[in-house]
Amino acid sequence: EDQVTQSPEALRLQEGESSSLNCSYTVSGLRGLFWYRQDPGKGPEFLFTLYSAGEEKEKERLKATLTKKESFLHITAPKPEDSATYLCAGRTGSGNQFYFGTGTSLTVIP
Amino acid sequence: DGGITQSPKYLFRKEGQNVTLSCEQNLNHDAMYWYRQDPGQGLRLIYYSQIVNDFQKGDIAEGYSVSREKKESFPLTVTSAQKNPTAFYLCASTTGTGRNEKLYFGSGTQLSVL
Repeated sequence: EDQVTQSPEALRLQEGESSSLNCSYTVSGLRGLFWYRQDPGKGPEFLFTLYSAGEEKEKERLKATLTKKESFLHITAPKPEDSATYLCAGRTGSGNQFYFGTGTSLTVIP
Repeated sequence: DGGITQSPKYLFRKEGQNVTLSCEQNLNHDAMYWYRQDPGQGLRLIYYSQIVNDFQKGDIAEGYSVSREKKESFPLTVTSAQKNPTAFYLCASTTGTGRNEKLYFGSGTQLSVL
């Protein structure tokens, strides 16, 4: 069964305190692992796509990495404006479906 | 600017009533999706469509219906058979092919029961 699991459910960080969010996946014929940011009451905003193990992508304070079983979203020296829910999703190799995790709610305290 | 437009932003349903959520995209995308999001939960797939006049049920299709008569439009009807419709509904689309396959999302519709 295709599945994506995120941990932790919630994370509180002090401003400047770096950490990582985890996304474990079992998606048949994975054709892309996607990270999104979602603010309350809004649609998810695309951050990264990773396609193969060992791939890394960076954007400002965020860095996403991918292994054969999981992906990590590393947040370096976070700021309060990084507070949001971060979602990951795996796309199946066959068909055209995206499987989402339940998200990690990040709060960065000034 | 290209994007996905969902309307209305807020919608209220009376018991026994059917309501329709609108989703329009001008990205020329073939594939369109409807997701439901409950507080503290991830996105659950309701229906998706790969091409015009064709659609497939997702994991939680019961109590919902869709149509895909035009490439740019994918409306979702929440029927009276859906007993717990209160949720945040998200429409999304993608090209369906190639490396740039990310999902583009609308801004969502919050549906509540009166």
